[in-house]
Amino acid sequence: DTAVSQTPKYLVTQMGNDKSIKCEQNLGHDTMYWYKQDSKKFLKIMFSYNNKELIINETVPNRFSPKSPDKAHLNLHINSLELGDSAVYFCASRNQETQYFGPGTRLLVL
Amino acid sequence: QKEVEQNSGPLSVPEGAIASLNCTYSDRGSQSFFWYRQYSGKSPELIMSIYSNGDKEDGRFTAQLNKASQYVSLLIRDSQPSDSATYLCAARIQGAQKLVFGQGTRLTINP
Repeated sequence: DTAVSQTPKYLVTQMGNDKSIKCEQNLGHDTMYWYKQDSKKFLKIMFSYNNKELIINETVPNRFSPKSPDKAHLNLHINSLELGDSAVYFCASRNQETQYFGPGTRLLVL
Repeated sequence: QKEVEQNSGPLSVPEGAIASLNCTYSDRGSQSFFWYRQYSGKSPELIMSIYSNGDKEDGRFTAQLNKASQYVSLLIRDSQPSDSATYLCAARIQGAQKLVFGQGTRLTINP
């Protein structure tokens, strides 16, 4: 049983395209997150939702738009992709003090 | 100044020795501290959490917290090659929903 799953695992696309990454958790947690990890391994929070409500919105370009249709799902849509968006995007869910990360989506923008 | 700082390494330790990983944080409101291990190409996984000053032991791992010095460390005893990974330190400010991560320390255990 996969606790936090993401699709797709790999995403290679051209600059200027629009793409979406999907995340689902089956842990029953209320809080979910999107993180970006750059090539230097720095893990930075982007967004957080609690029970479908946006609670954290870090300084992220508005080309990035999260959507949470229900508390088990948190998707990330990226418009007009740029070279600098290339990174690994991790979804996570939280239960009290513990965060559980998904396997990551490796995005490469050419 | 970064909120959570770690030496990015790489840190090389011979097999069987003690690996010592260090982390400092700038916000005195930080109350909860975490160590995550991340193997290459994989996602971070939680290995230790610590909330009070002093030491917390779990198997070969010991987390140490000194709030006065704003310092957190992780000791790995009897290091194994399988401990080779990047170790991420994270802190949560009381009442905040987010973790702030350090840049990670890459640890290599040499057989």
